[in-house]
Formats: sequence, structure tokens, C-alpha cells
Amino acid sequence: QVQLVESGGGVVQPGRSLRLSCSASGFTFSSYGMHWVRQAPGKGLEWVAFIWYDGSKKDYGDSVKGRFTISRDNAKNTLYLQMNSLRAEDTAVYYCARENWVDTTMAFDYWGQGSLVTVSS
Amino acid sequence: EIVLTQSPGTLSLSLGERATLSCRASQSVSSRYLAWYQQKPGQAPRLLIFGASSRATGIPDRFSGSGSGTDFTLTISRLEPEDFAVYYCQHYDSSQWTFGQGTKVEIK
Repeated sequence: QVQLVESGGGVVQPGRSLRLSCSASGFTFSSYGMHWVRQAPGKGLEWVAFIWYDGSKKDYGDSVKGRFTISRDNAKNTLYLQMNSLRAEDTAVYYCARENWVDTTMAFDYWGQGSLVTVSS
Repeated sequence: EIVLTQSPGTLSLSLGERATLSCRASQSVSSRYLAWYQQKPGQAPRLLIFGASSRATGIPDRFSGSGSGTDFTLTISRLEPEDFAVYYCQHYDSSQWTFGQGTKVEIK
């Protein structure tokens, strides 16, 4: 079955960096676009970043553009999120999610369990 | 930038009642890219509806989606105990994915 498992979260000081990983299994990882979505404590969902199946195209939300970098290693079935210049407002649970296309429709059909990132001095 | 506004913020209903959740877009959007998710406390979101009206795999038929243009609706025909949760709509346009702020369905 499809599984997405995030890791790498923790407590980090403002201005520092952190890298999240998302290990995928149960499907052909190299065939799917992947996303990062975050959720601040007690708040709603915020889309963070997207990467095409082959890594050739990447998109970012305005709040993280220029600070975060999404990447993937299809040989390792792993998605990454490099987070630099972290701010207190980046504190959130970070989810990886698979983008799936059915005919001409699209949605995030599988999600990981999330990894908590806390930015605090 | 398209903004999705969900209403109401909280819906207080009893078991067996019908729930009607609204998602309004700031401009006309393609229904192909309109999805609904359910999230329970401490859990990841779960896809319910894609393409505005198609149920995802394993989703009970008491969940239905409808709408077009700027107005979309998620309906739960008869609330079961496991349906009390927060629901989010989502849309994709021009390399940006947007979520509504969520509607909480709580037990009355």
C-alpha cells in the first residue's frame, strides 16, 4: 500500500536551516508529482511547494519562495524540503502529499503523517 | 490569486442530520481542480472529493460534492459519528494550490 513517511523535524533557532525528508513506498515514486503542505498549530492547511515527477519543474508558495527548496531523489524514493532562514511563523506540521491525476482532474490522494518543525530561540 | 472562502466556520449538527458546507472562490475556477479533504485531530488530511463531484476511493456515498464557477458544496447526507471533523476545499490554478480556511463540523 502507498506510504509516505516524513522525518527530520525538530526544534531550530530562527535564522537556521533544517531539511525534511519524505520516504515513499508502495507506488512508482518517479511517476508522480509531489507536494509539501504545512499546518501551523491550530490553523488551516497551507500549500508550500511542488515538484514534478522528474524534478524538472518546481513551484513555491509566496511565504517560502527564496528560502525553501524542494527536491527529490527518485533512485531513493525520497522527497526533500530544504528550509533556510527559518522564522517563527514557519512553525508547523509539514506534510508531504502525492499529486494524482484522474483523467483531467487532480488532487492530493495520499498524505504522510506529518513532521513537526518548531522555530524558537 | 484565487481565494477560497468556506462557510460556515463551524457547523453544529446532530447525528443523522444533513451537513451542507460551502466553498466560494474569488473568481470563476475550473471544477476539474476543486477537491475536498477531511481532517480529524492529530491526523493527516484525507481526500474525499476530486473534480468537484467525484468521490475518492473508499469514501462512503453519504459524501457528495457539487458546484461550478465560484460556488461549490460538500454535502454529508446523514452524519455518522466519524464525520465530525474539519473539512477543507482546495483548488489549483496557475502553479498555485490554495486551501480554504476550513469548516469544523461538531456535534450539537
